[in-house]
Amino acid sequence: EAGVTQFPSHSVIEKGQTVTLRCDPISGHDNLYWYRRVMGKEIKFLLHFVKESKQDESGMPNNRFLAERTGGTYSTLKVQPAELEDSGVYFCASSKGGSSNSPLHFGNGTRLTVT
Amino acid sequence: AQSVTQPDIHITVSEGASLELRCNYSYGATPYLFWYVQSPGQGLQLLLKYFSGDTLVQGIKGFEAEFKRSQSSFNLRKPSVHWSDAAEYFCAVGAWNFNKFYFGSGTKLNVKP
Repeated sequence: EAGVTQFPSHSVIEKGQTVTLRCDPISGHDNLYWYRRVMGKEIKFLLHFVKESKQDESGMPNNRFLAERTGGTYSTLKVQPAELEDSGVYFCASSKGGSSNSPLHFGNGTRLTVT
Repeated sequence: AQSVTQPDIHITVSEGASLELRCNYSYGATPYLFWYVQSPGQGLQLLLKYFSGDTLVQGIKGFEAEFKRSQSSFNLRKPSVHWSDAAEYFCAVGAWNFNKFYFGSGTKLNVKP
């Protein structure tokens, strides 16, 4: 099966610009997650979708971040306007369901650099 | 508050030597514990997990980890390291519903020939 796909793999933008990250989960995975790793620190939870519904967005840093998952398939994470501290690696993960038998499958991440 | 501490940022071992990566966690309930590995340019891959039962769990690639509740630790071990094990390793604790994970800051492993 195809894995979790993230696009782009790298993005360099200037402060104040807008960037949209995309994640295509594994087919059939209702659960989709966004995580972020900033400056070699821990990987932090951003939010969780079940199908098209946001179940938990407690990790979203502020209202400059907007995540969507229209139709319950792929998801986008938009940062508008981007700030320097938004730089980091954004990971997407998917799973079939919230249980011990549904491990997270991670994408390769998008490295975002804001200059 | 939930947290995971990986005290070693970088570790270098010689190929063939044994390896132990440390992980301590803070979690207010029964912990579900994981180790992930990230090779350069790749996503995170699950190495092993602990939910209950035997406190010594076996994973892929010859790795094992031991859960010690009294020490709040879940250290990762491998008896003989291969050059291909060079990567970054992340310890994580999962919420009861497996819908949120708390990761450590990672340990970068370098393997000397």
